[in-house]
Amino acid sequence: EVQLVESGGVLVQPGGSLTLSCAASGFTFSYYFIHWVRQSPGRGLEFVSAVSPTGVATYYGNSVKGRFIISRDNSKNALYLQMGSLKTEDTAVYYCVREGRDNGIHSQAFDSWGQGTLVTVSS
Amino acid sequence: QSALTQPPSASGSPGQSVTISCTGTSSDIGGTNSVSWYQQYPGKAPKLIIYGVTKRPSGVPDRFAGSKSGNTASLTVSGLQADDEAEYYCSSHAGDNIWYVFGTGTKVTVL
Repeated sequence: EVQLVESGGVLVQPGGSLTLSCAASGFTFSYYFIHWVRQSPGRGLEFVSAVSPTGVATYYGNSVKGRFIISRDNSKNALYLQMGSLKTEDTAVYYCVREGRDNGIHSQAFDSWGQGTLVTVSS
Repeated sequence: QSALTQPPSASGSPGQSVTISCTGTSSDIGGTNSVSWYQQYPGKAPKLIIYGVTKRPSGVPDRFAGSKSGNTASLTVSGLQADDEAEYYCSSHAGDNIWYVFGTGTKVTVL
C-alpha cells in the first residue's frame, strides 16, 4: 500500500523558516516525481513544488519561487520542503503527493496523497 | 498563475447525471492532454478519479467520465449516488513555467 506521511507543520511567525518532511513507503520511491501541493480556504489547491525521480530537476510555483527549496533523499524514501521568508498567505495544509506513472510514463496526475500537515503563519 | 474556472456548485437526484465544467486557456487545458480530476471529502485528501482527460485509475467506477473540448474540460458523474456528494477539482499541466494549475472546485450535492 502506497503511504505518504507528512510532518513538520507548526505555527510560525511571518518571516520565519520551517522544513516539512514526507516519509514514503509501499512503492519504489526513486521511480517517481514527488510534489508538494497546498490547500487553503482562500486560495484552494495550489501547486507548490516538484522534484524529479533523481532529485536533479526541481520545479516551483510562482508564489514560492526563491523562498522554498524542495529536495529528496532516495536512500531514506524521504521528501523535504525548506520554507523561508514565510508570509501569512503561505498558511495552508501541505500535502505530499506522488505523480503517477502510466505504462512507464510519468502521468502528470497526482495519484497518491498524504494526509497533509498544517502550516500556520501568524504573529 | 490563475486558477481554472469551475462552477461553485452542482446538484442532481440519485440516479441522475451531473456535469462539471473546468475552463482554462490555450496555455493549460487547451494545450495539453494532462487534465485530471479529483474528488475530495471534507477533512480528507483529494483522490484522483480521472487523468489524461479520459482515463480512470483502477478502482474508479465507470460512472465517472472525463472529456475535453478546446480550453474546457468536463467531468460527468452518471447514476448519482449519495457518496458522490463531495468537492471536485480539475487540474491541468500548464507548461514549463507555471507547471500545474487547479480548478476553483465544485461542490456536488445529491438531492
